Amino acid sequence: GDSVTQMEGPVTLSEEAFLTINCTYTATGYPSLFWYVQYPGEGLQLLLKATKADDKGSNKGFEATYRKETTSFHLEKGSVQVSDSAVYFCALSDLNTGFQKLVFGTGTRLLVSP
Amino acid sequence: DVKVTQSSRYLVKRTGEKVFLECVQDMDHENMFWYRQDPGLGLRLIYFSYDVKMKEKGDIPEGYSVSREKKERFSLILESASTNQTSMYLCASILTGGQPQHFGDGTRLSIL
Repeated sequence: GDSVTQMEGPVTLSEEAFLTINCTYTATGYPSLFWYVQYPGEGLQLLLKATKADDKGSNKGFEATYRKETTSFHLEKGSVQVSDSAVYFCALSDLNTGFQKLVFGTGTRLLVSP
Repeated sequence: DVKVTQSSRYLVKRTGEKVFLECVQDMDHENMFWYRQDPGLGLRLIYFSYDVKMKEKGDIPEGYSVSREKKERFSLILESASTNQTSMYLCASILTGGQPQHFGDGTRLSIL
């Protein structure tokens, strides 16, 4: 079945450092790919998405490119802030296998220090 | 703006109790979901509903049931709560496939 694999955390960075969180997926169809973020004490909120190969999703300085050849959707940010400290989830939605269901990775905690 | 509201942020119940978690969305979405979130396991789907009175089991339905009598409300029921159901529970909704899901803030449930 479909699956999403994320790098384990926590990822600890200093403010203004470059961020990469790796995400790879396995899917039988042509999935849509998402990054969600969960700030402390809150639910998940959509950070960015991409629906086809070579699409780049971007929001709040974060970017991720849908790479079908490597089945990856890595999250990047050029300069992180303390306020980016959160848990980041990579997810996919594959209409061929599961209606509107999302398959999530296990999440990666990011800690940014001043 | 989209709003998914879960009735409780924190809940403490005892083993064997019947527990109800409520979720309401104000977006006229057809599809609603219940997940549980546990450290190291990410989010796992318990049940989802694609219409009023319609439901399907997710990946971990054992010990849970759901009710959807009205479009805007989706309830998760723990028939006889057990300590291994202590977790964070998240509700979500979506209009159509391929669109992002909208989440509530979660209910942190402790079963003693």
